[in-house]
Amino acid sequence: NAGVMQNPRHLVRRRGQEARLRCSPMKGHSHVYWYRQLPEEGLKFMVYLQKENIIDESGMPKERFSAEFPKEGPSILRIQQVVRGDSAAYFCASSPFLSGQGYEQYFGPGTRLTVT
Amino acid sequence: SQQGEEDPQALSIQEGENATMNCSYKTSINNLQWYRQNSGRGLVHLILIRSNEREKHSGRLRVTLDTSKKSSSLLITASRAADTASYFCATDGGSGNTGKLIFGQGTTLQVKP
Repeated sequence: NAGVMQNPRHLVRRRGQEARLRCSPMKGHSHVYWYRQLPEEGLKFMVYLQKENIIDESGMPKERFSAEFPKEGPSILRIQQVVRGDSAAYFCASSPFLSGQGYEQYFGPGTRLTVT
Repeated sequence: SQQGEEDPQALSIQEGENATMNCSYKTSINNLQWYRQNSGRGLVHLILIRSNEREKHSGRLRVTLDTSKKSSSLLITASRAADTASYFCATDGGSGNTGKLIFGQGTTLQVKP
């Protein structure tokens, strides 16, 4: 059973370009979470999705950021018109059930975005 | 506001010693989890403790939870150089939470061989 897959592992973008990060959850998991980690800091929640639905986007910046989890295919985190402050590690996690009921989240290896 | 504050921020010990990390949080919880992150890598789940549990063991790991003080501790016994990593506690924010985890800033542990 493959773990959570993220690609690319490293992504370099110039200011103003778009960044597209992909996450394939573990088999059988229908809940996907995205987190952002700035250097020397802990992870901060961005968005929680189920198939075709955004459940909680309270951690997403209001502009330039969007996320989707289509019926088929991976979850996508899209950052438009990237700025240097977007440079960070972006982690995806999946869970078979709502984590509030006591199930752990399984994390992918992360995508390290560098904006030049 | 962010909860799950770890203490200390950094810890350096000799191989074979025990390492204790503490975590405090602010709101009610259903469960609290500890994760390990090696430098430049993803997070590895270590242990989950539910709000009605006080102590849990997994190999060389021992986690305690005191909901009255809103605090938890992670003890690593007989540490090894391979335990060098950052350790994070994460809470679920309690009832009504959508399942997102709230992480602390982490404790950086260095185990010297």
